[in-house]
Amino acid sequence: SQTIHQWPATLVQPVGSPLSLECTVEGTSNPNLYWYRQAAGRGLQLLFYSVGIGQISSEVPQNLSASRPQDRQFILSSKKLLLSDSGFYLCATAGSNTEAFFGQGTRLTVV
Amino acid sequence: AQRVTQPEKLLSVFKGAPVELKCNYSYSGSPELFWYVQYSRQRLQLLLRHISRESIKGFTADLNKGETSFHLKKPFAQEEDSAMYYCALYTGGFKTIFGAGTRLFVKA
Repeated sequence: SQTIHQWPATLVQPVGSPLSLECTVEGTSNPNLYWYRQAAGRGLQLLFYSVGIGQISSEVPQNLSASRPQDRQFILSSKKLLLSDSGFYLCATAGSNTEAFFGQGTRLTVV
Repeated sequence: AQRVTQPEKLLSVFKGAPVELKCNYSYSGSPELFWYVQYSRQRLQLLLRHISRESIKGFTADLNKGETSFHLKKPFAQEEDSAMYYCALYTGGFKTIFGAGTRLFVKA
């Protein structure tokens, strides 16, 4: 079965600092990978998805970017964090039956 | 537009009472719907999918295409059912969209 590793679990960063959140997947090859942001009252918002190495689709315009340097690695980045980037970020992959598997998430607080 | 709506942010019921978490969707194609659950300190995970027509932990959900609904139901709520529940729609194109979530609180 698929396993998603996501780190760090919590992160406190100052405004204007860079960001790098990493997600790796085990137990599958060539997975579809996703970054979601979970905000109170707004559910899970899809930020990016990737169907292969170097292939990134952005769902919403924002201060963040994503990269997929390896088949089972998905990175969420920012050059300069904003206060509004605070939230809970989830990495996910989709199984062959379209079921989504999620990582434990990263709680990002921008101060 | 593709959309999933969960009208209740919080639902509080007593143990043993029936519970229904509402979900409505908007999708022009043939929908593939899911319910995901997040228990305290655990990762978000699949609870059930409409294709399977299964009962998981006593929960069932029936797809009603006429009403574009996929409500989650359980006849007798248990305290361990307290969690955050998300309704989700797979839209094809590799994407799944989620509702805003409903927090279920089962009181003793």
